[in-house]
Amino acid sequence: GAVVSQHPSRVICKSGTSVKIECRSLDFQATTMFWYRQFPKQSLMLMATSNEGSKATYEQGVEKDKFLINHASLTLSTLTVTSAHPEDSSFYICSARDQRQGVRWNQPQHFGDGTRLSIL
Amino acid sequence: GQNIDQPTEMTATEGAIVQINCTYQTSGFNGLFWYQQHAGEAPTFLSYNVLDGLEEKGRFSSFLSRSKGYSYLLLKELQMKDSASYLCAPRGYNKLIFGAGTRLAVHP
Repeated sequence: GAVVSQHPSRVICKSGTSVKIECRSLDFQATTMFWYRQFPKQSLMLMATSNEGSKATYEQGVEKDKFLINHASLTLSTLTVTSAHPEDSSFYICSARDQRQGVRWNQPQHFGDGTRLSIL
Repeated sequence: GQNIDQPTEMTATEGAIVQINCTYQTSGFNGLFWYQQHAGEAPTFLSYNVLDGLEEKGRFSSFLSRSKGYSYLLLKELQMKDSASYLCAPRGYNKLIFGAGTRLAVHP
């Protein structure tokens, strides 16, 4: 079945560092990928929708200059947290669904394993 | 606007049946998903409903009423490993919106 791979799984770094997280669809093409953030015991909050070959669509309240998204190919999207601070510490999860022609339109979104980001 | 409402916590006994309810309001509707999430892990897909009625998948079943903006997830023959959060996620025009989830604790 469809698999989404996310890397790294855990990052611990100093305040002010920029951190890049990669999300890959392993056996399908994803023109759209989604980035979520989850704080402890809270819901997954959609941060942005990553669109292959065009600009990402950010949800209200998410700073696009802080969270840079690049979706350069049909299988890879990256999220860069620029100049990270302790309040950016969270669980970041990417998601994608198979949108190839001929694939049933009601395919579920599959999730990467998530990246736990800790900023000291 | 968009709103999803689920109970925050539930407890149940091993071997029992539990029903987790979800009411929702979304801009556009293209089906509703249920996911399971264990602590510290990413969500895993459980079920999908786009038409009214019941979808059964082994020990898990999910029901949808579009006119009422209502869904439930039914878990049968509960096992200890079913202790997790269950996320109701209606799909709007092109994105899933997640509720806060229901934390289910299964005890012996």
